[in-house]
Amino acid sequence: GQQVMQIPQYQHVQEGEDFTTYCNSSTTLSNIQWYKQRPGGHPVFLIQLVKSGEVKKQKRLTFQFGEAKKNSSLHITATQTTDVGTYFCARSGAGSYQLTFGKGTKLSVIP
Amino acid sequence: NAGVTQTPKFRILKIGQSMTLQCTQDMNHNYMYWYRQDPGMGLKLIYYSVGAGITDKGEVPNGYNVSRSTTEDFPLRLELAAPSQTSVYFCASSYPTESYTFGSGTRLTIV
Repeated sequence: GQQVMQIPQYQHVQEGEDFTTYCNSSTTLSNIQWYKQRPGGHPVFLIQLVKSGEVKKQKRLTFQFGEAKKNSSLHITATQTTDVGTYFCARSGAGSYQLTFGKGTKLSVIP
Repeated sequence: NAGVTQTPKFRILKIGQSMTLQCTQDMNHNYMYWYRQDPGMGLKLIYYSVGAGITDKGEVPNGYNVSRSTTEDFPLRLELAAPSQTSVYFCASSYPTESYTFGSGTRLTIV
C-alpha cells in the first residue's frame, strides 16, 4: 500500500567509491523526499522530487525520480567520510501530508 | 530561529511511570508530527496534527496521547510506560506538502 522499500539496507564503501541507494513503491508516488541522518543525529531534509523523470543534483549527490513515478534513487559520486549516515526516502499518502519513511540505507565509508 | 526544540534529550523511566515529551516549534508550521525510531526500522508515525485543536492517530498510536492547544506546542504523553516504548522519539513540523524540520530527538529507555 503506502510503503516504500529501500535497498540496500547497508552499504560499506571505500572512500572515493560511488554509492547508490534505491527507493521503490508498488503504487505511483505523488512526490518523494530524501533525508539524511548522521549517526546520533536527526533526519535532515535533502531534496524533494515531484516530476516524472526528474533529475536534481546537489554537488556530488544526484537524485532521480523514475518515469513511472514508482521509484527513486540517490547516487553519491566519490564518497567522503562526511557522507556517513543513513539515507531515507519518504512518501506522502494519498490525500494526506504525513510522510511514510523507508527503513533507510546505512552508509559506511572506509577511509 | 530555534526550529524544532525537544526536551528532554535523554530519559530513563521505570515501567508503569508516565511522562511527557515536549516539542515546540517557532516556524509557524501548521503541521506537527511525532515519530519513533527503532534500530533498523526507520521512522514510524505515532500521532500528527494539522493545526491547533486537531490531532489524529498515525501508524503506532497505542500507549501514547497528544494535544495541540497552540500552533507552537505538540507534547507527547506516555501513560504506563512499557519496555516496548524504549526508542528514540522525534518531533517534526512542516507546511503542507513541504519538507519536514525535525527536532534533535529524545532517547527514552524504559527499565
